[in-house]
Amino acid sequence: DGGITQSPKYLFRKEGQNVTLSCEQNLNHDAMYWYRQDPGQGLRLIYYSQIVNDFQKGDIAEGYSVSREKKESFPLTVTSAQKNPTAFYLCASSIGPRGTDTQYFGPGTRLTVL
Amino acid sequence: GQQLNQSPQSMFIQEGEDVSMNCTSSSIFNTWLWYKQDPGEGPVLLIALYKAGELTSNGRLTAQFGITRKDSFLNISASIPSDVGIYFCAGQLRNAGNMLTFGGGTRLMVKP
Repeated sequence: DGGITQSPKYLFRKEGQNVTLSCEQNLNHDAMYWYRQDPGQGLRLIYYSQIVNDFQKGDIAEGYSVSREKKESFPLTVTSAQKNPTAFYLCASSIGPRGTDTQYFGPGTRLTVL
Repeated sequence: GQQLNQSPQSMFIQEGEDVSMNCTSSSIFNTWLWYKQDPGEGPVLLIALYKAGELTSNGRLTAQFGITRKDSFLNISASIPSDVGIYFCAGQLRNAGNMLTFGGGTRLMVKP
């Protein structure tokens, strides 16, 4: 069945380590997005990609990096430069600018840095 | 970036009551979206609104795209315990790369 998958569901890392969060979609969507959610807060955009091999910074890109080598995949790396990485990370995808472009979300990854 | 003011921040209601929440913006949007998020899960799209003045229903949910394009509301009729969660509004502007701007969320609690 079609959808967006994120793995793992929970992730623990030591301070100073880089960590990569996976996001895969089989919806044939062109655009993919990464958001960060802190407790009791709304969603803030980290990075987005509207087409393969292209991506743009969102509102809070510092300390994060992404790649978009395949249409289906948009991994997010949380680097040691991110000062407060503990958060709930959400990946989303959409058809892209050619359609109404509604975003659909994956189940999220909760990252805890110890 | 743009800010969406979503209110109320939280609501604690009795099962069977109707619920109303809204979002306002200082800027216009082309699309308004309403999502529901259960604890530890990703947001699920409830209703999408594409035209100013549009009123759309999805079961017990009704949402409207304000005439000024700067606001939207979501109503839930006859609430049930599974309505518990956080409801987010999001505005989308086509000439800004279709990015979404999210409200801060309304946490709904339903007492059986």
